[in-house]
Amino acid sequence: DGGITQSPKYLFRKEGQNVTLSCEQNLNHDAMYWYRQDPGQGLRLIYYSQIVNDFQKGDIAEGYSVSREKKESFPLTVTSAQKNPTAFYLCASTQRGAPEKIQYNEQFFGPGTRLTVL
Amino acid sequence: RKEVEQDPGPFNVPEGATVAFNCTYSNSASQSFFWYRQDCRKEPKLLMSVYSSGNEDGRFTAQLNRASQYISLLIRDSKLSDSATYLCVVNIRSGGSNYKLTFGKGTLLTVNP
Repeated sequence: DGGITQSPKYLFRKEGQNVTLSCEQNLNHDAMYWYRQDPGQGLRLIYYSQIVNDFQKGDIAEGYSVSREKKESFPLTVTSAQKNPTAFYLCASTQRGAPEKIQYNEQFFGPGTRLTVL
Repeated sequence: RKEVEQDPGPFNVPEGATVAFNCTYSNSASQSFFWYRQDCRKEPKLLMSVYSSGNEDGRFTAQLNRASQYISLLIRDSKLSDSATYLCVVNIRSGGSNYKLTFGKGTLLTVNP
């Protein structure tokens, strides 16, 4: 079955440590996204990538880094510079498709990783 | 004004009730609109897109008013399984052919037996 996988589901880290969250998709989607969700809050965009070897900052990129070396993979590193890293992290992907239809393309989400920094 | 603002909720309704969610958006350049559903501690999933003429999918009806920058979702004959958080989502062009989804905070619905 095609889909998006994120690992691990739960992650605990000590303050000051960098941690990398995995996101893999086998949907052959061009675009991939990372969001953060805090309790009672909407999703906020961290980084996104429309194509391999290219990515752009979202609304809250500070303290995070990404890479897009392969179409199917978009790992997110939460660095020690991120002030409040404890959150639910969601990866998503979408097929860009025809330009006139891009804005209607559904985003598919992975199951998420709950990161707790102790 | 927030980019996407939803009814804060929570909504508690009995089975069979009709419930309406409202959402407003601030960017008049918004291109497309969606309702996503998110179950507790799960990822969001697309419920339905919202088209200019309004659209219906079974018990769910979505409406868009571009002039008022307002989106709504109506659920008729609500079921226990409709209990979830409903997210209003707006797609905005962020440059070139790039688009960015902006999410509302969501409205929690609990349908009671």
